[in-house]
Amino acid sequence: SQQGEEDPQALSIQEGENATMNCSYKTSINNLQWYRQNSGRGLVHLILIRSNEREKHSGRLRVTLDTSKKSSSLLITASRAADTASYFCATDAGGSTLGRLYFGRGTQLTVWP
Amino acid sequence: EAQVTQNPRYLITVTGKKLTVTCSQNMNHEYMSWYRQDPGLGLRQIYYSMNVEVTDKGDVPEGYKVSRKEKRNFPLILESPSPNQTSLYFCASSFWTGGRNQPQHFGDGTRLSIL
Repeated sequence: SQQGEEDPQALSIQEGENATMNCSYKTSINNLQWYRQNSGRGLVHLILIRSNEREKHSGRLRVTLDTSKKSSSLLITASRAADTASYFCATDAGGSTLGRLYFGRGTQLTVWP
Repeated sequence: EAQVTQNPRYLITVTGKKLTVTCSQNMNHEYMSWYRQDPGLGLRQIYYSMNVEVTDKGDVPEGYKVSRKEKRNFPLILESPSPNQTSLYFCASSFWTGGRNQPQHFGDGTRLSIL
C-alpha cells in the first residue's frame, strides 16, 4: 500500500514550542499534502508540496520533502493551544493509481496553554 | 460560500436497509471522492470520480456504490448495510488539474451507525 505513515502517533507540547511531525510513504509520488482535522470535523488543507520541491512555507507552517528517503515533515513554529488537532499527510502517485489519494493514520497534536 | 455539503450528518439504521448519503459541491470541481474514517485506521478512500460519468474504486469499495450523473453531486449508496460499515464518512472535492490530485475540500462528515 502507498499509505503514508505519520510519526509520532501523538505529540504533546507546551504553547510556544515547535511541533514536528513526520510522514513516510512507500512509492514515488506526484505531490504530498498535509491536512488538519479538529475533533470530529472535516479535514482542512494546509499545504501541498510537489515532488520537485524540497521546502514550502505558509505562515507558521514549514513543510519539507525528501523524495530520496520518501519522507516529509511538517513543522509548526510557536505552537498555540488552537493548533491542537490531528494532522494527516496524503500522497498521490499517479500512473496506475491515477486519482487515488492515500492518507496516513495521523498525528494527534496537543498543545497545552 | 464555497462548500461541500453532506446529508445526513448522523444516521442510525439497521442491517440491510438501503441508504444513500448525498454529497454536493458548489465549486465546479471535477474531482470528488468518498472516504471512511475509523479509529486507528486513518482515512481510507472508498470511491472517487475525476469527472461526470467517470468513477473508480479506492481502497475499500466493497459494499458501496456511487454515481456521478452531474458534476456537483456524488452520492454514496449502501445497498445492504452491515455493522462493519459503521463509520464516519467524508466527501471531498477538488479541481483535477494536470492529472494530479489538488487540495481537497471536505464536507463536515456523516456518522453512520448500522445496528
